[in-house]
Amino acid sequence: GAGVSQSPSNKVTEKGKDVELRCDPISGHTALYWYRQSLGQGLEFLIYFQGNSAPDKSGLPSDRFSAERTGGSVSTLTIQRTQQEDSAVYLCASSLEYYEQYFGPGTRLTVT
Amino acid sequence: AQSVTQPDIHITVSEGASLELRCNYSYGATPYLFWYVQSPGQGLQLLLKYFSGDTLVQGIKGFEAEFKRSQSSFNLRKPSVHWSDAAEYFCAVGGSRRGGADGLTFGKGTHLIIQP
Repeated sequence: GAGVSQSPSNKVTEKGKDVELRCDPISGHTALYWYRQSLGQGLEFLIYFQGNSAPDKSGLPSDRFSAERTGGSVSTLTIQRTQQEDSAVYLCASSLEYYEQYFGPGTRLTVT
Repeated sequence: AQSVTQPDIHITVSEGASLELRCNYSYGATPYLFWYVQSPGQGLQLLLKYFSGDTLVQGIKGFEAEFKRSQSSFNLRKPSVHWSDAAEYFCAVGGSRRGGADGLTFGKGTHLIIQP
């Protein structure tokens, strides 16, 4: 079946602009996760959704980051006023059972 | 706080030779442990997982891993590597709480190079 999909695959934006990253989880998966992968920090957990709610947003790097999930399916990660340190690959994962997470191909964000 | 250490940043192995990638974790309760593989430009693919029970777990692509609680380790092994195994390998740990609010904690990764 279809796996986790993410769009766009690549995004180049100017410093100060807002960006939206999209994740389509595997159909029927109730949990959805966002991670960030960068050379300096490795893989960092950002936020988790169970259904449409995110119980803990403390993993988001700053208040410029926000995420939402609607209809228990698609999720968007929004970064406002992008900075160069936001350049990274943003990975989305989904799971049916707790912790067996399946990852999408990622969105490579470059802030110039 | 939970943490994962992968002591080897790079490992070079000859094709057909055996492989062991090391992983040590720190977690206060019963850990859930995972190995993922990432090929260049790709997402993460789950190789295997340990939740409970038999401490030797089998995964895809001929990989296995052994959970050793006394050593806080979860090393990944393969008896004979193939050139297609060249990739980045990540060990990860998650807690045993329901809800998943803390996500997975990943090690920094081990880059596997296969020599012909």
